[in-house]
Order: sequence, then structure tokens, then C-alpha cells
Amino acid sequence: DTGVSQDPRHKITKRGQNVTFRCDPISEHNRLYWYRQTLGQGPEFLTYFQNEAQLEKSRLLSDRFSAERPKGSFSTLEIQRTEQGDSAMYLCASSPPGGRLNEQFFGPGTRLTVL
Amino acid sequence: GQQVMQIPQYQHVQEGEDFTTYCNSSTTLSNIQWYKQRPGGHPVFLIQLVKSGEVKKQKRLTFQFGEAKKNSSLHITATQTTDVGTYFCAGPVGDAGNNRKLIWGLGTSLAVNP
Repeated sequence: DTGVSQDPRHKITKRGQNVTFRCDPISEHNRLYWYRQTLGQGPEFLTYFQNEAQLEKSRLLSDRFSAERPKGSFSTLEIQRTEQGDSAMYLCASSPPGGRLNEQFFGPGTRLTVL
Repeated sequence: GQQVMQIPQYQHVQEGEDFTTYCNSSTTLSNIQWYKQRPGGHPVFLIQLVKSGEVKKQKRLTFQFGEAKKNSSLHITATQTTDVGTYFCAGPVGDAGNNRKLIWGLGTSLAVNP
């Protein structure tokens, strides 16, 4: 399967714990996005990478959230000191370089439940 | 701030009936994208519209971008049970049009009775 993959698919944690999610984009895709989605809502933008550079970050994102893409390939999203309000589906998407078409290819998501 | 709104939020139709969802942006968009998310699934890209007044068709789906590039619609003719899902529109924040940051509507959830 050459699509976007995310790991883990599900994560249950206790409030106050740190969690880290991984995203492997489609190879050759230099653009990578993280979103958060809750029930009945559209995806909410979190951050954007072009290669290894983090070029956009949502102002809604608290300091507890951090993302990296150290070698311009896979990316990690870490949430420190989780809160119940962090419970959501975390989606990763990637898109290829250049071109006029801006299609984003989404992974299956990581569902986070904070108890 | 910039907002993208979709109506209706839910639509329930009989198989064979038509369906339309509307997307309205508070600002002019350089382009608009449509995605479909099946229940339990992830968003899947359908189409991107760029030009003012553009109309594109994909089999039973017709997408339109308004003349002012602030609104868009998706029309499905003769719905089938495979059309079930939530349809989202999304547009770039700001006027750079580089799609670094997309703002998404809340989506329209379509249910189809067989």
C-alpha cells in the first residue's frame, strides 16, 4: 500500500500523559499537513510542512502541541499533558510538489481518547 | 476571521432523488476543493475548481464555482446508496492561493434510503 499511513490507529491515554503520533506520507510528497477532526466537524488545520520546514502553524494550537518532520519524510505530532478536550481524530495528509492541483491525500487517522 | 459555511448540515433522500450542497465563503477564494468522507473513513479528494463560474462534471456529480469565487455547489443527480457520506468544501486561507492552510466547512452529511 503506497498511501499515507498513520500509527497508531487508536490511542487511549490518561489525562496529563504525553502522546506521540506518526505519519508516513506518500513518497515523493514534499508537503505534509496535520489536522484534527471531532464528530460533526470538518478537519481543523493544525500545521503544514514543506519538506522539513514547518511553514504554517495554527494560532489555535497551544504550546502543548508540537510537530516535527526532521528529514522531510515522516512526521510526528506530540501532545504534552493531554486534556480531555484533546480527544479527537488526528489526520495527516500529504500532497506532491508543484503543480496547479492541490489535492491532499489523507491517511486513516489516529483516534485519540483522553480519559 | 475567514469562514466557510455549508448548508444544509444534513440531507436525507430517497435513492434516485437529486441532492445539492452549498458552500459559502466570507472571502474570495483563489480556488475551492471538494472532499467526500465516508462514515468511519477519511476525506477523499473529489475536485478542485479555480476559475470564476467554472463548472465541472464527474459522472452524476456537478461542481460549480460562483462568479465572485465566494460560493460553490455540488449537485448529485439520481443519488445512489454509494453516495452516502459527508461532503466537505475547503478553501485556502488568505489570498496566496498556495493551499498551505485550508479552511473547511462543517460538511453536509448525506443519507440515502434504498
